[in-house]
Amino acid sequence: DAGITQSPRHKVTETGTPVTLRCHQTENHRYMYWYRQDPGHGLRLIHYSYGVKDTDKGEVSDGYSVSRSKTEDFLLTLESATSSQTSVYFCAISENYEQYFGPGTRLTVT
Amino acid sequence: RKEVEQDPGPFNVPEGATVAFNCTYSNSASQSFFWYRQDCRKEPKLLMSVYSSGNEDGRFTAQLNRASQYISLLIRDSKLSDSATYLCVVNDNYGQNFVFGPGTRLSVLP
Repeated sequence: DAGITQSPRHKVTETGTPVTLRCHQTENHRYMYWYRQDPGHGLRLIHYSYGVKDTDKGEVSDGYSVSRSKTEDFLLTLESATSSQTSVYFCAISENYEQYFGPGTRLTVT
Repeated sequence: RKEVEQDPGPFNVPEGATVAFNCTYSNSASQSFFWYRQDCRKEPKLLMSVYSSGNEDGRFTAQLNRASQYISLLIRDSKLSDSATYLCVVNDNYGQNFVFGPGTRLSVLP
């Protein structure tokens, strides 16, 4: 299995609070991604990174920001969480168009 | 029309059966194609890449029809452990735009 970890694995937070999710890889892959997965929608891309400090928006980026200060870490921040951001968040890495996913973070916003 | 479409299933088949999944995509510029499997409450895992000439990995065969813009996955001699959701994924190779289908659920019954 690819060396990808996500933290926390589960989080419950209140509406309006900031939340940061962390993705860490040990594979030295260039590309990293954040997706959310919701029933009826499948996996949707939030943001991705193509190198340190290089990021771009995905399909559902509103309300999310990201940072990548090191090759191995990709952070996803919800500045002010809303109930619509309750979801399962997956991080993925890739080097040659084959993606490998982390175990996911289950986030509940109450 | 969604970019990537799949029959949601569920497909309920007995052990030993052969089952086929189809996936259609709308972007004719798509260049890379993949099948992932996802177990309940787990991350997606790469099953196989799909090449223009078709490819086989044990009991699994993937085929690509560019003219009709569809991808197929055939599973022979189904095992109980094949029960999962199968995701079709398409990439346009001009960036990191991976588009996921909603998935097809397979249940292999004893």
